[in-house]
Amino acid sequence: GNSVTQMEGPVTLSEEAFLTINCTYTATGYPSLFWYVQYPGEGLQLLLKATKADDKGSNKGFEATYRKETTSFHLEKGSVQVSDSAVYFCALSDNGANNLFFGTGTRLTVIP
Amino acid sequence: GAVVSQHPSRVICKSGTSVKIECRSLDFQATTMFWYRQFPKKSLMLMATSNEGSKATYEQGVEKDKFLINHASLTLSTLTVTSAHPEDSSFYICSANSGRALYNEQFFGPGTRLTVL
Repeated sequence: GNSVTQMEGPVTLSEEAFLTINCTYTATGYPSLFWYVQYPGEGLQLLLKATKADDKGSNKGFEATYRKETTSFHLEKGSVQVSDSAVYFCALSDNGANNLFFGTGTRLTVIP
Repeated sequence: GAVVSQHPSRVICKSGTSVKIECRSLDFQATTMFWYRQFPKKSLMLMATSNEGSKATYEQGVEKDKFLINHASLTLSTLTVTSAHPEDSSFYICSANSGRALYNEQFFGPGTRLTVL
């Protein structure tokens, strides 16, 4: 079946630190992979996506590479800001975006 | 970007009562809406998928008579938790997509926290 495992939080970093949030997946086919972000009081927003192996999704300084050999889609950012404080969800879909399987979410707090 | 709202954001009710949660797409027509449930420290779990004008498709293990979903228009879907019990307390999230693109991004509402006493 399909499932997503992501790094448990919470994660607390100082501003300008390097961020990695690990995500691995199990899928029966060739899924698309996503990272969603949820800022306080708001709905989940798509942060980036990758639809096939070796694709790199990027947005707002965040990056994640679809690694089929390690079934991973780790989220990285070179220098985090206070405004990046949010909950980050890794997700996969095996049929476009009509059926998303989510990880448990990782809360990131960035302190000045 | 596309905006999805949910109402109420938070509700407390007594055991045995029914609660209705609304999900609205504010600036686009949503051909498909999704309802998720999130337990503390758990992932979002898809409960059901609804298409405008047709019956919802429920995921395995979700009681359709307990969680009534109505998608009466292209901008509104409702989830009614009937005869609520404390174990129904959870965070309910809806999402919607327009269905026009090859890749149909889901746009999420901010969620509704239900507490059943």
